[in-house]
Amino acid sequence: TQLLEQSPQFLSIQEGENLTVYCNSSSVFSSLQWYRQEPGEGPVLLVTVVTGGEVKKLKRLTFQFGDARKDSSLHITAAQPGDTGLYLCAVSGNTPLVFGKGTRLSVIA
Amino acid sequence: GAVVSQHPSWVICKSGTSVKIECRSLDFQATTMFWYRQFPKQSLMLMATSNEGSKATYEQGVEKDKFLINHASLTLSTLTVTSAHPEDSSFYICSARPWDRGLQPQHFGDGTRLSIL
Repeated sequence: TQLLEQSPQFLSIQEGENLTVYCNSSSVFSSLQWYRQEPGEGPVLLVTVVTGGEVKKLKRLTFQFGDARKDSSLHITAAQPGDTGLYLCAVSGNTPLVFGKGTRLSVIA
Repeated sequence: GAVVSQHPSWVICKSGTSVKIECRSLDFQATTMFWYRQFPKQSLMLMATSNEGSKATYEQGVEKDKFLINHASLTLSTLTVTSAHPEDSSFYICSARPWDRGLQPQHFGDGTRLSIL
């Protein structure tokens, strides 16, 4: 059983469109992280959310942590080709990170 | 900021060869480092937790005699894939967390792409 379910698995959109990807679980987490990984590189941390209902913005990216701290979403406004990559959510405490399977985003110019 | 370096970034070798991958924390000390494996089009799967000065903790299904981990200092962990075979071809990524900065996020290396012919 996958601890973190990410959807959609794949997403291909045109430049300028908006999109939302989701990370869901039946477990409650003290914090959740979002990473982006480009081919041939390690994942890069985008944000950590810790409070239920929390919303964080990073330029055109908006991250939300569910009120019950079981789920999270990432919304990208006016997507650009540079946003192309694998978006991973992950959870940990003092334990190793556990990743979802990721959403592979392709933004076409 | 915290930087993790992996070496080499790409390895191509013959079946039966043993390959060593290094993971270094460049500007912080890490008592714990983590090794992940990522197959094409898939997410990162934790292989083992590397503990400085003690034995590594392996995840279920990962052969400890196949994937040897040594964490001899606070800034270096190594993963040796022994007698590698084509099915071991994958992208191996390490990460580390500064031990003296509270609950800080993990920092990842840029990965090592291993191709076994």
